Amino acid sequence: GENVEQHPSTLSVQEGDSAVIKCTYSDSASNYFPWYKQELGKRPQLIIDIRSNVGEKKDQRIAVTLNKTAKHFSLHITETQPEDSAVYFCAASTSGTYKYIFGTGTRLKVLA
Amino acid sequence: GAVVSQHPSRVICKSGTSVKIECRSLDFQATTMFWYRQFPKQSLMLMATSNEGSKATYEQGVEKDKFLINHASLTLSTLTVTSAHPEDSSFYICSARDRVGAYYGYTFGSGTRLTVV
Repeated sequence: GENVEQHPSTLSVQEGDSAVIKCTYSDSASNYFPWYKQELGKRPQLIIDIRSNVGEKKDQRIAVTLNKTAKHFSLHITETQPEDSAVYFCAASTSGTYKYIFGTGTRLKVLA
Repeated sequence: GAVVSQHPSRVICKSGTSVKIECRSLDFQATTMFWYRQFPKQSLMLMATSNEGSKATYEQGVEKDKFLINHASLTLSTLTVTSAHPEDSSFYICSARDRVGAYYGYTFGSGTRLTVV
């Protein structure tokens, strides 16, 4: 089955700096990759996603890149703000199963 | 946008009792509901997938007789933790697939923190 690895597990950055979180997946059939942000005790919220027919997608300060050959994808947050502090999860999914397999999460701290 | 309502948000129960958790899709039809379990500071572990009107499909290592899932309608899925024990204490959260044929942008419920004493 699919396995998703995520790094780093924790990340501290100064306000205004960029943050990058990386994920790798094992199943070459995976074709959809969402990123979720989870604040303490709350539900995960979808922040950006990318499909396998696209190499990069951007939404304001957030971008995701996908390298299908290497089977890895990354989340990029620019001009970080304290409210970006949360746990971020990547996930991989295939159209056949519809299941999301999540990475282990990255705890991002943006220091003011 | 799509909303999934999950209840209760917190529950404390005695060891040996059963607890039912409900997830309702409020403004869409959830053809598929996914149930996850999340331990503190850990990832979301998929427990099972349920399709409306069908038996749930459980992930390897998840006891189907302990975690009963019912998805009787397109707007309601329930997870019952039977004969709960302290090791079942966790954060349980559902997510719904909100469009037939789509596999993106699932909406999560708000989660249920279960404490078994």
